[in-house]
Amino acid sequence: QKEVEQDPGPLSVPEGAIVSLNCTYSNSAFQYFMWYRQYSRKGPELLMYTYSSGNKEDGRFTAQVDKSSKYISLFIRDSQPSDSATYLCAMSGNRGSTLGRLYFGRGTQLTVWP
Amino acid sequence: NAGVTQTPKFRVLKTGQSMTLLCAQDMNHEYMYWYRQDPGMGLRLIHYSVGEGTTAKGEVPDGYNVSRLKKQNFLLGLESAAPSQTSVYFCASTDRNQPQHFGDGTRLSIL
Repeated sequence: QKEVEQDPGPLSVPEGAIVSLNCTYSNSAFQYFMWYRQYSRKGPELLMYTYSSGNKEDGRFTAQVDKSSKYISLFIRDSQPSDSATYLCAMSGNRGSTLGRLYFGRGTQLTVWP
Repeated sequence: NAGVTQTPKFRVLKTGQSMTLLCAQDMNHEYMYWYRQDPGMGLRLIHYSVGEGTTAKGEVPDGYNVSRLKKQNFLLGLESAAPSQTSVYFCASTDRNQPQHFGDGTRLSIL
């Protein structure tokens, strides 16, 4: 079992829809949680970065972390065709093998059609 | 503000050939990483470095070597390329407990 699980999709939604992307994890040492967006033939770019549990909002994007359930989510409101990309969750911790390393989900491929 | 720069962007090799991929960062980061990305497998860590002169193995280190002689550069070497090493290679850098910054990748095909 991978330490981080993410449904690879693909996920296809109409423009304006609310998109929900999720990851689960097994290592309780994870404390830092990230979402990366990756366009075709480009490197991953950081979208959201949160520490410990709670919510963080940035424009149309909201990241949620529930450490008790080992579950993180990314919500995209009013989705646009330009949001079409692969979304990767990632996490790291402060001790042992989690220090200084990111553990990635496999990525969810999202298509937003006009 | 180049960030993380990877060279070359594309390369085709024959089985058994050797080559070196270069990663350069201009953010004075301590930590640098090499990943490979394959369809359905996500990003897998090959090797990483927590400072100049240091290297460590990741999840899939076999067949690769690395060196970090200068803080800003992290080199990934393939001594004898195999078709199983056909992949997209990404370099990243960061400081402790900060998000990683990625380059745009090197697409490597081994025939």
